[in-house]
Amino acid sequence: GAVVSQHPSWVICKSGTSVKIECRSLDFQATTMFWYRQFPKQSLMLMATSNEGSKATYEQGVEKDKFLINHASLTLSTLTVTSAHPEDSSFYICSARANRTSGFWARWKNIQYFGAGTRLSVL
Amino acid sequence: AQSVAQPEDQVNVAEGNPLTVKCTYSVSGNPYLFWYVQYPNRGLQFLLKYITGDNLVKGSYGFEAEFNKSQTSFHLKKPSALVSDSALYFCAVRHPSGGSYIPTFGRGTSLIVHP
Repeated sequence: GAVVSQHPSWVICKSGTSVKIECRSLDFQATTMFWYRQFPKQSLMLMATSNEGSKATYEQGVEKDKFLINHASLTLSTLTVTSAHPEDSSFYICSARANRTSGFWARWKNIQYFGAGTRLSVL
Repeated sequence: AQSVAQPEDQVNVAEGNPLTVKCTYSVSGNPYLFWYVQYPNRGLQFLLKYITGDNLVKGSYGFEAEFNKSQTSFHLKKPSALVSDSALYFCAVRHPSGGSYIPTFGRGTSLIVHP
């Protein structure tokens, strides 16, 4: 299947600093990428949907000024946690969906592929 | 609106025995259904999907799932469990068209396979 790379896998930062997380689709183009947050032993919470070349769509209750999302190309989306605080500590996961669904890509149609996640710890 | 329920927080099974992880869904129209697996501190890995066609779908690692429209279920199954199957399993449903095609995930079921 398709590969989504997420970096870094683990980051520790001081309270008040900003952290950038990258999500790359390595072997396919992704018009749409998704950012999730996952708390221990809980399901995924969708934070925002990121569309290449346009502003991200944030879910209700997610602070857009706190969690800055940029989707500058068809293979890269970034999530920046600004002025991080201990309550922002969590596991963040990105996913991407292939936008080309014909020919070779047809087998990947409708499937979201996930990055390995980023464990953020804010001290 | 679409929703998915995984009624069991945890499923325990002995190695070699068959396993079932339950999932029921609610969506208008014909659903797109997915199963993902998550190992500790990792992202989700795609296992299988149902879009149309045969109700029995075969996926990765010997897993399969059966779509049952009348019961609105999409239970995940494997004939013989392995200890390495121990992980967190997520069911997801998506409406086939419209909107931003965002799936809804269940809360997850922790599968524990005992040696």
